Amino acid sequence: QQQVKQSPQSLIVQKGGISIINCAYENTAFDYFPWYQQFPGKGPALLIAIRPDVSEKKEGRFTISFNKSAKQFSLHIMDSQPGDSATYFCAASHGLLYGGSQGNLIFGKGTKLSVKP
Amino acid sequence: EAQVTQNPRYLITVTGKKLTVTCSQNMNHEYMSWYRQDPGLGLRQIYYSMNVEVTDKGDVPEGYKVSRKEKRNFPLILESPSPNQTSLYFCASSNRTGNVLTFGAGSRLTVL
Repeated sequence: QQQVKQSPQSLIVQKGGISIINCAYENTAFDYFPWYQQFPGKGPALLIAIRPDVSEKKEGRFTISFNKSAKQFSLHIMDSQPGDSATYFCAASHGLLYGGSQGNLIFGKGTKLSVKP
Repeated sequence: EAQVTQNPRYLITVTGKKLTVTCSQNMNHEYMSWYRQDPGLGLRQIYYSMNVEVTDKGDVPEGYKVSRKEKRNFPLILESPSPNQTSLYFCASSNRTGNVLTFGAGSRLTVL
């Protein structure tokens, strides 16, 4: 049972455009929502993360929008650049690892983004 | 440099020949985890460890073993590899909160 659904599976955007990747979750206990970025031949790396007490978080050209009532969150990449071409994973977890809750990150299936020059 | 180191990076083996993929981190992290990445399936957790001598199954543990005898090391053992274990494997670690994972560079395993 997939707890985090990510779409689209692949995305092609022109340089300078906006890239949008969406994720939906089912478990209302989730309280941490990160995005990981993976370049070819590399391991994923944390890009940006949000907690449900805010509806938006921005870091440079990257913004997470969070809709708690809809159980959805999305990554927006403004002014997309060819260097942004990578696979993006959304994820979710609840609680801390210690203290009785599982806390493991549940990953979406990933979105392969290609930014054309 | 803070990092998670996996070895080997690439391996081709045959069905049934036991192999071990090593993972070592130099950040004194309590939490370590193994994932496999397959096209269209994303990252799936195999096993994780909250600390030394504490391990637990993830979503796809069948056919794998792990051990955590030392804090820095978390090897993944395939006792009798099968072709369906052909995949890209990632080791990751994090501090006590468990949420910010540092991944290794990956180990691409092919089982013939």
